Amino acid sequence: EDQVTQSPEALRLQEGESSSLNCSYTVSGLRGLFWYRQDPGKGPEFLFTLYSAGEEKEKERLKATLTKKESFLHITAPKPEDSATYLCAVQIYGQNFVFGPGTRLSVLP
Amino acid sequence: GAGVSQSPSNKVTEKGKDVELRCDPISGHTALYWYRQSLGQGLEFLIYFQGNSAPDKSGLPSDRFSAERTGGSVSTLTIQRTQQEDSAVYLCASSYTGTSHEQYFGPGTRLTVT
Repeated sequence: EDQVTQSPEALRLQEGESSSLNCSYTVSGLRGLFWYRQDPGKGPEFLFTLYSAGEEKEKERLKATLTKKESFLHITAPKPEDSATYLCAVQIYGQNFVFGPGTRLSVLP
Repeated sequence: GAGVSQSPSNKVTEKGKDVELRCDPISGHTALYWYRQSLGQGLEFLIYFQGNSAPDKSGLPSDRFSAERTGGSVSTLTIQRTQQEDSAVYLCASSYTGTSHEQYFGPGTRLTVT
């Protein structure tokens, strides 16, 4: 069964305290891995797409990496405005996407 | 420009009633997706439309759920004989083409079945 898990479930950081979020997947055929940010009461906002192991993407304080079994979202020197739920999704075939449950990130000033 | 819009933003209905949820995708986007997000759960894929092709309905949880897309634009998700387990946030997303994986999401419709 195709499955996506994320850890930790929730993470509290002090402003400036760097950390990483994990997305692990077991799928029959990975076509792409996606990271989204979701603020309360809003729809997810696209961040990154990764297609092959070893690929990295960066945007401001965020950096996403991909291996054959997992992806990491590294947050460097986070700010309170980075507080959100971060969702990971894998595209398995066609336009089928499997989303993980998300990591709730809180960055305290 | 205008993003994906959904209406209503909130819907409270009694068990057994039918509901219709509407999605207006970004103009020019040919692909449209419906997802369901329950509390503490990841997004659950429901249905996908691409241009004039037959929709991918593989994610619909039961035959009480149906969706249509008129004129390649606006989409309506219909839930018949609603049950309490249907309570969730229903999200719509669109993308430029079926091969573009950057999905733009609407704000969702929060459905509560009492």
